[in-house]
Amino acid sequence: KNQVEQSPQSLIILEGKNCTLQCNYTVSPFSNLRWYKQDTGRGPVSLTIMTFSENTKSNGRYTATLDADTKQSSLHITASQLSDSASYICVVTGGYNKLIFGAGTRLAVHP
Amino acid sequence: EAQVTQNPRYLITVTGKKLTVTCSQNMNHEYMSWYRQDPGLGLRQIYYSMNVEVTDKGDVPEGYKVSRKEKRNFPLILESPSPNQTSLYFCASSSTGRQYSNQPQHFGDGTRLSIL
Repeated sequence: KNQVEQSPQSLIILEGKNCTLQCNYTVSPFSNLRWYKQDTGRGPVSLTIMTFSENTKSNGRYTATLDADTKQSSLHITASQLSDSASYICVVTGGYNKLIFGAGTRLAVHP
Repeated sequence: EAQVTQNPRYLITVTGKKLTVTCSQNMNHEYMSWYRQDPGLGLRQIYYSMNVEVTDKGDVPEGYKVSRKEKRNFPLILESPSPNQTSLYFCASSSTGRQYSNQPQHFGDGTRLSIL
């Protein structure tokens, strides 16, 4: 069964600290993996997109990694800011361009 | 400004009263899609459209209809809403829905529906 599991479900960190969010998937075949940021009351916004041949991709303070062998991805946030408080969603594209969404990790950055 | 616009943003209605949620994009995108988001679950696809006059079912199409008569608009229709359709709905678009495309989907800001 195609699944995307994210951990932790929620996370609280202090402003300025780093954090890493995890995504494990069992989707096959695999086309690409995306990370989205969803602010409260808004739609998701794309952060990164990686194909199976890409190990890492950065977007400012966000760095995503992908290990296609172990089917794991992580999103690392450096020097967190209050504006990073949001849900982060991992999305894997499988066969027939099917998108499988994780349930998200809710991140709260406290001053 | 490139955007996906959904209306209404909030709606409270009663069981059985037909409603339509509109979605419009100004990016000339071919691909459009509707999702619902429920607590503790990932977004689930309701219907999608690869291009004008081409629509197909997603994972949870029961109780919904869509149409794609023109490229920019993709309305979601609930003919006879029921309480289990209470949810947060998102419309999204991308330049293409082709396999292996690295184009991101652009999402609207959501429509919160409550069916009493």
